Amino acid sequence: GAGVSQTPSNKVTEKGKYVELRCDPISGHTALYWYRQSLGQGPEFLIYFQGTGAADDSGLPNDRFFAVRPEGSVSTLKIQRTERGDSAVYLCASGYRGSYGYTFGSGTRLTVV
Amino acid sequence: KQEVTQIPAALSVPEGENLVLNCSFTDSAIYNLQWFRQDPGKGLTSLLLIQSSQREQTSGRLNASLDKSSGRSTLYIAASQPGDSATYLCAVLADDKIIFGKGTRLHILP
Repeated sequence: GAGVSQTPSNKVTEKGKYVELRCDPISGHTALYWYRQSLGQGPEFLIYFQGTGAADDSGLPNDRFFAVRPEGSVSTLKIQRTERGDSAVYLCASGYRGSYGYTFGSGTRLTVV
Repeated sequence: KQEVTQIPAALSVPEGENLVLNCSFTDSAIYNLQWFRQDPGKGLTSLLLIQSSQREQTSGRLNASLDKSSGRSTLYIAASQPGDSATYLCAVLADDKIIFGKGTRLHILP
């Protein structure tokens, strides 16, 4: 596609439930990032993939958060046992490592009630 | 640890004025610096990308400068318009990680 696609655009879930957030990067982009943005804050790094492997997952807040990118394209961010504090906008970005900057998707707004 | 700071946090100016948004970062070992625009409830739109070897980039009414040695970047907006109202985010790429500031919320008064 022409841009980074994130689905769903909005997700409301009950506390304790499991959710999956999907990111379709721009075709051919090898690097993929997940970020979390709370209201009034800048995006905070969660995890970075280069190809299929997680090159840096140091931003994942705890073991309830996990992300995969099995074929080096689409990525899924998985959150287990959701908590109200997980409510935020989750942003995905893709690009080529280094030079050219990164393109962000429109995000998934997650609300845990 | 790389930290990015943006000043001011919010800014309101009358339409037509020129303005400057500031960004500073603590570690000069960056690969590039990118300025983004974010409208309420929306994703990030890239405005300008400056490689670490460059000093500035221009696009229309926007001009971004980079002084890597002092850890500073500025985004200059000429002849501001109400449509420029948004949050502007500065981000540096270092160690394969994009680090963002908290942004400057800009409001252009008609």
